Amino acid sequence: KAGVTQTPRYLIKTRGQQVTLSCSPISGHRSVSWYQQTPGQGLQFLFEYFSETQRNKGNFPGRFSGRQFSNSRSEMNVSTLELGDSALYLCASSLEGGLDGTDTQYFGPGTRLTVL
Amino acid sequence: GNSVTQMEGPVTLSEEAFLTINCTYTATGYPSLFWYVQYPGEGLQLLLKATKADDKGSNKGFEATYRKETTSFHLEKGSVQVSDSAVYFCALADTGGFKTIFGAGTRLFVKA
Repeated sequence: KAGVTQTPRYLIKTRGQQVTLSCSPISGHRSVSWYQQTPGQGLQFLFEYFSETQRNKGNFPGRFSGRQFSNSRSEMNVSTLELGDSALYLCASSLEGGLDGTDTQYFGPGTRLTVL
Repeated sequence: GNSVTQMEGPVTLSEEAFLTINCTYTATGYPSLFWYVQYPGEGLQLLLKATKADDKGSNKGFEATYRKETTSFHLEKGSVQVSDSAVYFCALADTGGFKTIFGAGTRLFVKA
């Protein structure tokens, strides 16, 4: 079974631009989550989607948004990029998102975003 | 709220040494606990998990036991290899929040 895939793997943008990252979950997984990883803040939760609905959102400004499509694929968008948005953005998928019992999150390789 | 605390790194060991990375948690109830590993330039890989108290998760020679008395989930390996050099994250499932809560990560260097 194919794992979680993320595109693109690397992105370089300048301040003020916007960016869209894409994530395809493991087949059969309906929950998709996004995390930001930086050296200073570690792994921080951005948001989680299930059946095209956002069920939870982390403590990030409104410039960070996401959506999920009917095939469970997800995109996240960051508008008006700032230097501090440079990070590794990780997508994770799980069956239902409840994360109990056998429902575990599996992560993609990430998208490395650099803002100049 | 729920949180995870793990030992600061880096940890530097010689090949075939014994590894322990300490992890303690604060949580409501008894959530599933995980160890994830991140190799340079890659995403997170699930290393092992335990879903209830006294469960032992194991994989690739690594082990961790869910101890509710001490709220701990320490990672151990009897004999590390150079290829084990990576960053290790202890984590717990926030089931109500549909998310995983991570510790800060511990970088492990194994010397030949």
